[in-house]
Amino acid sequence: GAGVSQSPSNKVTEKGKDVELRCDPISGHTALYWYRQSLGQGLEFLIYFQGNSAPDKSGLPSDRFSAERTGGSVSTLTIQRTQQEDSAVYLCASSLPRTPETQYFGPGTRLLVL
Amino acid sequence: GDSVTQMEGPVTLSEEAFLTINCTYTATGYPSLFWYVQYPGEGLQLLLKATKADDKGSNKGFEATYRKETTSFHLEKGSVQVSDSAVYFCALWGDYKLSFGAGTTVTVRA
Repeated sequence: GAGVSQSPSNKVTEKGKDVELRCDPISGHTALYWYRQSLGQGLEFLIYFQGNSAPDKSGLPSDRFSAERTGGSVSTLTIQRTQQEDSAVYLCASSLPRTPETQYFGPGTRLLVL
Repeated sequence: GDSVTQMEGPVTLSEEAFLTINCTYTATGYPSLFWYVQYPGEGLQLLLKATKADDKGSNKGFEATYRKETTSFHLEKGSVQVSDSAVYFCALWGDYKLSFGAGTTVTVRA
């Protein structure tokens, strides 16, 4: 079946602009996760959704970052007033409710802030 | 909090050589442990996992054993191929999220 999809695959933006990154999880996967992969920081957890609610937002690096999930499916990660240090690959993963630890990752969105 | 420490890279090997990538963890309790692999230009893929002490995860010729006494989950492969060139990440599951090591870049030369 279809895996986790993310769009856009690449995004170049200017400092100060807002960006939206989209994640479409595997059908039936109720848990959805956002991670960030950047040089020097490795892979960092950002936020986790169970259904449409986000029990854990602890990884969001600042209040410029927000995420939502609607209909228990698609999620959008929004970065407002982007900064150069936001440049990274943003990864989305999803998992089945009984095996949340077994996560399936999307290909990522490579964000470059100029 | 939970953390994972893995061997710094990069690692360069010849084909058919033995590969070991060390991984140790710090966590409360006994978390599930994972190795993920990222091939060039591709997304992160689960390579293998172990959910309790002394479990051995294996896949594609790779193995890792969950060692509670040494809090380790070292990845091994007896004979690597060029196609094993990738970045390997050790990870643990805790507090409803995966915590990853820094990643080890492995290059296998023909």
